[in-house]
Amino acid sequence: GNSVTQMEGPVTLSEEAFLTINCTYTATGYPSLFWYVQYPGEGLQLLLKATKADDKGSNKGFEATYRKETTSFHLEKGSVQVSDSAVYFCALRGKAAGNKLTFGGGTRVLVKP
Amino acid sequence: EAGVAQSPRYKIIEKRQSVAFWCNPISGHATLYWYQQILGQGPKLLIQFQNNGVVDDSQLPKDRFSAERLKGVDSTLKIQPAKLEDSAVYLCASSLGGQGNIQYFGAGTRLSVL
Repeated sequence: GNSVTQMEGPVTLSEEAFLTINCTYTATGYPSLFWYVQYPGEGLQLLLKATKADDKGSNKGFEATYRKETTSFHLEKGSVQVSDSAVYFCALRGKAAGNKLTFGGGTRVLVKP
Repeated sequence: EAGVAQSPRYKIIEKRQSVAFWCNPISGHATLYWYQQILGQGPKLLIQFQNNGVVDDSQLPKDRFSAERLKGVDSTLKIQPAKLEDSAVYLCASSLGGQGNIQYFGAGTRLSVL
């Protein structure tokens, strides 16, 4: 079946540091890949997505590239802010699974001033 | 545009009691999802509705969980009787349609079973 594995947190950074959150997946065929973010007390929000190999999703300074050869979709941001403190979830949607999302376990990121 | 509304935000019950959660999706969204998010884990799909029909309920513990979506709009998720392991955040999401559409999530209901 489909599965997503992402690095465990918490990840603690200083403001303006570089952030990388690793995400790898297992799926049949070519799924669509997503990063969702959950700020404290709020629901999940779509951060970015990629629907085919070599696509790069980007939003709010975050980027992730769909790497079929390594089955990865790592999230990066060059200079984090305190407001980026949140839990980040990597997810996939299989082609044959309706619209069902399979999520990783989430990575908590804490950015200190 | 109003987002996905859920209530209550928090609920504390004792084991073997029953509880119900309510979700109002974004207007016009035909597909509605209920996810269970246990602390420290990613959300897991419990049930998916397309209008008022069930598309996928393979992960729903049907001996204690039930869900309905009357008239294809609002939905309720019920647990009866609750167990300690049901403590989690219950997230509702909606999308315009099925395959290919972005899911929008509500803030969730945090359930504590004592």
